[in-house]
Order: sequence, then structure tokens, then C-alpha cells
Amino acid sequence: AQKITQTQPGMFVQEKEAVTLDCTYDTSDPSYGLFWYKQPSSGEMIFLIYQGSYDQQNATEGRYSLNFQKARKSANLVISASQLGDSAMYFCAMREGRGAQKLVFGQGTRLTINP
Amino acid sequence: GAGVSQSPRYKVAKRGQDVALRCDPISGHVSLFWYQQALGQGPEFLTYFQNEAQLDKSGLPSDRFFAERPEGSVSTLKIQRTQQEDSAVYLCASSLNTGQRNEKLFFGSGTQLSVL
Repeated sequence: AQKITQTQPGMFVQEKEAVTLDCTYDTSDPSYGLFWYKQPSSGEMIFLIYQGSYDQQNATEGRYSLNFQKARKSANLVISASQLGDSAMYFCAMREGRGAQKLVFGQGTRLTINP
Repeated sequence: GAGVSQSPRYKVAKRGQDVALRCDPISGHVSLFWYQQALGQGPEFLTYFQNEAQLDKSGLPSDRFFAERPEGSVSTLKIQRTQQEDSAVYLCASSLNTGQRNEKLFFGSGTQLSVL
């Protein structure tokens, strides 16, 4: 079974609009962390935001925020006031358990910002 | 260095050739990971090192894949007798290994391997 599911292969948004990228996850471990990474055409994965399973509030980092709905096992990324430079692949990832190290990634969403 | 460095950036190999991909992690980073990313897909975990110890190699697809990190710094991913299905981008990542759940991985730009 997929641990991380991103159901939107591609998204097209007008510049300055907000966009939500969906992510659902599957785990039976009560302790886990969720990450979002951006991958521009250069190939490097850039960390955007983190949400822990015990965090009471939704994470925010500048224009990025995470809509964390624990009961639904969803962790959607919200980008406000999108910019042309936001065009890239976006990946949701999860780390399970304590001390576990590796991240498990979803299939990604390709976001295109139109001028 | 300032970031994770991978070389070569591009590698073209004939089917059956052996290849070696290099990763220089961020100085002082204890943990090192290799991922394989097929075109249009998310990264798939291959293997994990803590210093020189390879603690998890559950993602290596076959015994043709071998990774090492002999001095706990630079790592090499070796693929023997390459096949067309090995064509992918190979990403290396490193982290401090604080044990915290929120510890992020720092990625290199990857090596794009094409097997003809």
C-alpha cells in the first residue's frame, strides 16, 4: 500500500492566486513527521515545511502553510500569493517512528504558475 | 562544502557496463541516504548510512547495486552490469542525525544515469 498519496499529477494556477496541493498518508505509528519538498528543474530537492504528528497547530513558513487534518490523515500544502518561481515538482514525504531516519515520498505534483 | 555535491551530473553507460556515482555530503553530517528517482516519479529509498555503517539497504533493487562509505564521509553508489531499467536520477541526501523527527534531509542535485 502507498504510504504517501498525491492525487494531483499536475496543477495550473494563475500568478498571485493561492494553491493547495493534496497529500494523504497511511501509517499506524502514532509518532510521525510530514515534510514537503520542492524540486525545480535543476533537480535539487528543497525543504519547504514540516508538521509533526503531535503538533497542535498547523505549520507555517512564510508563504507556505500546511493544512494538517490528522483524523483524515491529510497534510495539504497551501501556497499563498503564488509566484512564477513556484513552478516546480512538489513532493510530500513522511518519516515514521522515533529514531527512524528515511523519508518516504509520494509521486509528486507538478505545479505550473501562469503569468 | 556548502551543500551536498554529486558527481558526475550526467552519466551515459552502455548496457552491461559498471558505473560509480559519488556523493560528498555536507561536512559533519552523520547520516547519508541514496534515493532513485525514475522520470516523473517520487524518489525511492535505496540505502542509508550512519557514519561508515550501512544500517539499511532494504531499498537496493538487486545485488548489482552496492554502496559504501568507508570513512564516514564520501559515499559511492556502484551499479554493476547496468540495465536499461537502471536509468534514473540518483539522489544523495545527508543530515546531522540529531534523532529528532523534524530533522530535514539536504539533497544534492543528483546524477542522471542513462543506460543505452
